[in-house]
Amino acid sequence: QSVLTQPPSVSGAPGQRVTISCTGSSSNIGADYDVHWYQQLPGTAPKLLIYGNRNRPSGVPDRFSGSKSGTSASLAITGLQAEDEADYYCQSYDSSLSGFHVFGTGTKVTVL
Amino acid sequence: QITLKESGPTLVKPTQTLTLTCTFSGFSLNTRAVGVGWIRQPPGKALEWLALIYGNNDERYSPSLKTRLTITKDTSKNHVVLTMTNMDPVDTATYYCAHNTYETGAFDFWGQGTLVTVSS
Repeated sequence: QSVLTQPPSVSGAPGQRVTISCTGSSSNIGADYDVHWYQQLPGTAPKLLIYGNRNRPSGVPDRFSGSKSGTSASLAITGLQAEDEADYYCQSYDSSLSGFHVFGTGTKVTVL
Repeated sequence: QITLKESGPTLVKPTQTLTLTCTFSGFSLNTRAVGVGWIRQPPGKALEWLALIYGNNDERYSPSLKTRLTITKDTSKNHVVLTMTNMDPVDTATYYCAHNTYETGAFDFWGQGTLVTVSS
C-alpha cells in the first residue's frame, strides 16, 4: 500500500486547468525529499513529466507544472488537451525503515 | 541515447522463482550517480517500486517485498537482474526497469515493460 495518496480521478474540459494532489508524510515529502511526476498513456510505459518538484525534462510542454509544500505536492495542467488524458503518478523517497522509493496511488485524468 | 529493455519468462508457476533481465545502453552503471530500478504494475493498478541498484553496488528494496527480492548487476554485459522468489498469482504484472539518477531520485528513462503472468 502506497504512502503517497492521490485522488483516483480528476476531469476537465479542453482548455481548463486541473490539479492533482500527492499527499505524503513527515518521512517522505515532508522530509524534504523531491517529488517527481509521471504520465502514463494507455498501453505505454510511464514517462517522466516533472522532476525535482518543479523541473520539466526537455520536450515536456510548459502546460505542466509542479509544486511542493509541506507534506504535499501538486501537478497542474493548464490548457487541458485531449492528448493529456492519461494516468499520472507522483513519486518520492521515504526515509523510514531502510529507505525506499515510493509511487503514489495514481490519478486518472479525463478530458470531457 | 539511453535505452532499457526487459526480458524474461512471460509465464511462471506459483512458488517458482522469477528472473528478469534489464539490458541497457547509453550509460555506464559504475558510479553512485546512476542506478537501475525495477517497478511493476498489476493489470489496471498502480505502479509499485520494487528494487534499485546503484553503480556503487548500493542496493535498495521495497520493505514489503525485501525477503523475496534480489537485484544484481553485471557491468560488463550492461545487465541488471531481478530475482523474485515464491511467485504468486498476485505477482502477475508488467515489470519495468528504469534508469535512475541519484541526484534527483527520478526514473528518467524506462523500458517498454514485460508482462509476467503467474498461473499453474
